[in-house]
Amino acid sequence: GENVEQHPSTLSVQEGDSAVIKCTYSDSASNYFPWYKQELGKRPQLIIDIRSNVGEKKDQRIAVTLNKTAKHFSLHITETQPEDSAVYFCAALSGGSYIPTFGRGTSLIVHP
Amino acid sequence: DAGVTQSPTHLIKTRGQQVTLRCSPISGHKSVSWYQQVLGQGPQFIFQYYEKEERGRGNFPDRFSARQFPNYSSELNVNALLLGDSALYLCASSFGQGRSSGNTIYFGEGSWLTVV
Repeated sequence: GENVEQHPSTLSVQEGDSAVIKCTYSDSASNYFPWYKQELGKRPQLIIDIRSNVGEKKDQRIAVTLNKTAKHFSLHITETQPEDSAVYFCAALSGGSYIPTFGRGTSLIVHP
Repeated sequence: DAGVTQSPTHLIKTRGQQVTLRCSPISGHKSVSWYQQVLGQGPQFIFQYYEKEERGRGNFPDRFSARQFPNYSSELNVNALLLGDSALYLCASSFGQGRSSGNTIYFGEGSWLTVV
């Protein structure tokens, strides 16, 4: 089955800095990669996703890049703000099962 | 427009007891999935139902079972509760079950289960 590795587990930045979270996946047939933001005690919420037919997608301060050859994808947050502090999860949809496999999460802390 | 709704939001059970968690998907969504999230980890897939049929099952023991009703709502049942079953149980819905466009999954707020 699919295996998703996510790094780093914790990321601490100053307000205004950029943050990058990286994930690798094992199943070359995976072709959908969503990112979720989970605030403390809340549900995971989809913030951006990318499909394998594109290499990059942007939405205001958030962008995701995908390298299919290397089987890794990354979340980029620019001009970070304290309200960006949360746990971020990446996921990949495995080719055979249609079930997303999640990474272990990255706790992002943005210091004012 | 209502999102995915789950009940109860919090509950405490004793070891050996049974629990039923409920989920209503977003209107129009036909697929419901259940996830277990232990503190500090990502959601772990338990079940997926589509059009009232089980379409996927994660690596969980037979104590876990689920079903989907004609209105696409779903229940997750866990029997013979263990301390290790304490977790946030998330329900997610999507329009379809595959990887094509429109199959983004949306999570409910979850049910916090504590087993003592």
